[in-house]
Amino acid sequence: AQRVTQPEKLLSVFKGAPVELKCNYSYSGSPELFWYVQYSRQRLQLLLRHISRESIKGFTADLNKGETSFHLKKPFAQEEDSAMYYCALRRPGGYNKLIFGAGTRLAVHP
Amino acid sequence: DTEVTQTPKHLVMGMTNKKSLKCEQHMGHRAMYWYKQKAKKPPELMFVYSYEKLSINESVPSRFSPECPNSSLLNLHLHALQPEDSALYLCASSPKEAEFYGYTFGSGTRLTVV
Repeated sequence: AQRVTQPEKLLSVFKGAPVELKCNYSYSGSPELFWYVQYSRQRLQLLLRHISRESIKGFTADLNKGETSFHLKKPFAQEEDSAMYYCALRRPGGYNKLIFGAGTRLAVHP
Repeated sequence: DTEVTQTPKHLVMGMTNKKSLKCEQHMGHRAMYWYKQKAKKPPELMFVYSYEKLSINESVPSRFSPECPNSSLLNLHLHALQPEDSALYLCASSPKEAEFYGYTFGSGTRLTVV
């Protein structure tokens, strides 16, 4: 069965420190992975897709098939990065089902 | 218009009430979704509509009844809910294209069942 694991419920860092939010998945095929972010009192929004290999708001994520990971990284955290981050895997089958991890709350302190 | 709009934002209902949640998008997306999110938990898929037809029901109890009257509108009819059904109900949409760009989420309806 497909599963997304985010081992950390809370990641607390100081402004300017590097950030790595971990995401591991279990899936036997070729996965499509996403990072969603939810700022306080705002809706869930797409941050990154692994297919596009882009950098958004300074965040990057690389799919590592050998380690079945899709960790989210940023070299220098900002206070405005404080939010809930969800890793998600697209389940195949033609209906674009997303399976979400439990989420990691990132708290960036001044 | 690049948003998914959900109404109402908050709803309190008794266990014998009938109510409906509404979701609307005008982005031309042909797939729409209902997710349920309990406090401090990830969203869990409930239903998927594709071209106005129900494609997936994730074994949701019949007290939740989805409806897709047209390509822009998605409803969730609620009847005889239980207190444990209290949650944030999220609607999302996506284009039905070969490449999946991810969902656009609404801001949700926070439902409290008393």
